[in-house]
Amino acid sequence: QKEVEQDPGPLSVPEGAIVSLNCTYSNSAFQYFMWYRQYSRKGPELLMYTYSSGNKEDGRFTAQVDKSSKYISLFIRDSQPSDSATYLCAQTGGTGTASKLTFGTGTRLQVTL
Amino acid sequence: ETGVTQSPTHLIKTRGQQVTLRCSSQSGHNTVSWYQQALGQGPQFIFQYYREEENGRGNFPPRFSGLQFPNYSSELNVNALELDDSALYLCASSLAGQGNTIYFGEGSWLTVV
Repeated sequence: QKEVEQDPGPLSVPEGAIVSLNCTYSNSAFQYFMWYRQYSRKGPELLMYTYSSGNKEDGRFTAQVDKSSKYISLFIRDSQPSDSATYLCAQTGGTGTASKLTFGTGTRLQVTL
Repeated sequence: ETGVTQSPTHLIKTRGQQVTLRCSSQSGHNTVSWYQQALGQGPQFIFQYYREEENGRGNFPPRFSGLQFPNYSSELNVNALELDDSALYLCASSLAGQGNTIYFGEGSWLTVV
């Protein structure tokens, strides 16, 4: 079993739709969760991070962690064509040698006009 | 712009050769990590450097080695290149103890033929 699992997609939605991207994780010891956005042939860009459980909102983006089900989600409201990218979820212990990131495979999102 | 710069951006090597990739971390960041991202996959942790010493390693053979310099810049060296080493190599920097904010460079695309 992979430590972080993510549906690779592709996921295609019309402009303006609400997008839900999801990951599951297996290591309960690591409690920092990140979402990165990666455009084609570019490096990953940090979108948001959350610690432990709960919600965090930043503009059109909301990150959610459900520790009971080991489930993390990213919601994108009013999706735009510029949101078309691969979204990577990641988990880390946050400090010391545990600060390595464990990534999912990424979900490719296409927002169409 | 994350302030993490990598060079070269693209290179082609022959199987059996050696390659050196370079990274300058974001100003003030003292921890550098390297990741390998194969096509269609999430980044995989290679190793991390802190205070010029290796501080954690992923599941990569010894022919993957690195250095960190006093100015926190870093090098990734790969010896005896194999075809499967073809990937995007990503450098990430962070501040020790703040592993929840890890920023990536744009990567170096390595093709082994």
